[in-house]
Amino acid sequence: DTAVSQTPKYLVTQMGNDKSIKCEQNLGHDTMYWYKQDSKKFLKIMFSYNNKELIINETVPNRFSPKSPDKAHLNLHINSLELGDSAVYFCASSQDGVGTGELFFGEGSRLTVL
Amino acid sequence: AQSVTQLDSQVPVFEEAPVELRCNYSSSVSVYLFWYVQYPNQGLQLLLKYLSGSTLVKGINGFEAEFNKSQTSFHLRKPSVHISDTAEYFCAVSLYSGGYQKVTFGTGTKLQVIP
Repeated sequence: DTAVSQTPKYLVTQMGNDKSIKCEQNLGHDTMYWYKQDSKKFLKIMFSYNNKELIINETVPNRFSPKSPDKAHLNLHINSLELGDSAVYFCASSQDGVGTGELFFGEGSRLTVL
Repeated sequence: AQSVTQLDSQVPVFEEAPVELRCNYSSSVSVYLFWYVQYPNQGLQLLLKYLSGSTLVKGINGFEAEFNKSQTSFHLRKPSVHISDTAEYFCAVSLYSGGYQKVTFGTGTKLQVIP
């Protein structure tokens, strides 16, 4: 039973299209994240939600819009895709408040923009 | 604000040799420290963590790390590596700020085990 699952695993699309990635966690965690990993493996946080509320919003273009319908789900919608959006997007969760910041990651969604 | 430095982007090592992956951090307050491993085409998984107590922390797959407060380091070691240890390794620090934990990752070190 996968703890953090994200779909789809692979996305290939044309520039200008809109796409979404979905994430679900069954760990009962309060906080969920989206990270972007570029071709050099550098991990950059994009967003974080705690109990459906946005708590971290890094300098990400507003073409990226996260949505958290409940604390177990965090989706990422990307409008007007650009070549530079090609990356692996990771969803993660953690138990904040009394937690330590230990993160549990999904397997990633590899987005390729042509 | 905290930062994490992994000085080595790649570390080649022969199978059964020891290895050390270096991590230094900067923070004005106490932090939690983590090492994560990423195997090819997979997500990150926790290797080990330092929260408090003993400065020598043991993790999965025979890895260990030592927290050195005076040198602000958290180097990862393994006495004898295996081919299956080939992966990307990330050091991370977590700081409680503004009601939540903020996690900062290093740039990663690629461990290449040579048969």
